[in-house]
Amino acid sequence: DGGITQSPKYLFRKEGQNVTLSCEQNLNHDAMYWYRQDPGQGLRLIYYSQIVNDFQKGDIAEGYSVSREKKESFPLTVTSAQKNPTAFYLCASSINVLDNYGYTFGSGTRLTVV
Amino acid sequence: AQSVTQPDIHITVSEGASLELRCNYSYGATPYLFWYVQSPGQGLQLLLKYFSGDTLVQGIKGFEAEFKRSQSSFNLRKPSVHWSDAAEYFCAVGAGGNKLVFGAGTILRVKS
Repeated sequence: DGGITQSPKYLFRKEGQNVTLSCEQNLNHDAMYWYRQDPGQGLRLIYYSQIVNDFQKGDIAEGYSVSREKKESFPLTVTSAQKNPTAFYLCASSINVLDNYGYTFGSGTRLTVV
Repeated sequence: AQSVTQPDIHITVSEGASLELRCNYSYGATPYLFWYVQSPGQGLQLLLKYFSGDTLVQGIKGFEAEFKRSQSSFNLRKPSVHWSDAAEYFCAVGAGGNKLVFGAGTILRVKS
């Protein structure tokens, strides 16, 4: 079955460390997205990519980095510059047709700073 | 800029009672509107969407939503709530370029 796989499900990071969250899809979608979810704040867009080797900053990109070397993969790195990284991170993908918005979401990664 | 407001952080309803979750949006043109549901620790599942046409939209799991342009609202309704409907619900608006802007969410509790 096609879908999006996020790993790991739970991740613990020490202060000052970089960590990378994995997002893989086999839906043949061109566009991929990373959202951060905090209680009471909904989902906020971190980065998105509409095509391989291209990505754009979302609303809260500071302290994060991404790459898009393969269509199937869109890893997110939470750097030590992100001062409050504890959150639930959701990856999504969609076909890259204007105003389609046909998102498929992964099951998320919960990152905790210890 | 586009924005979505969900005024109710928490709502508690009795099983079998009707439900209405409120959503107001801010968008200059005709909006693309969505409702998603999220179970704890899981991703989001699309309940329904409005792009154009009939302002009353039917979705999965017995949910419906009505687009009211004059009120900038897209409220979600269900005539009879089941215990399995307990979850967090998010309203979202299409922000162009296939990006979605989400509201803060409403947590639904169902009491038996």
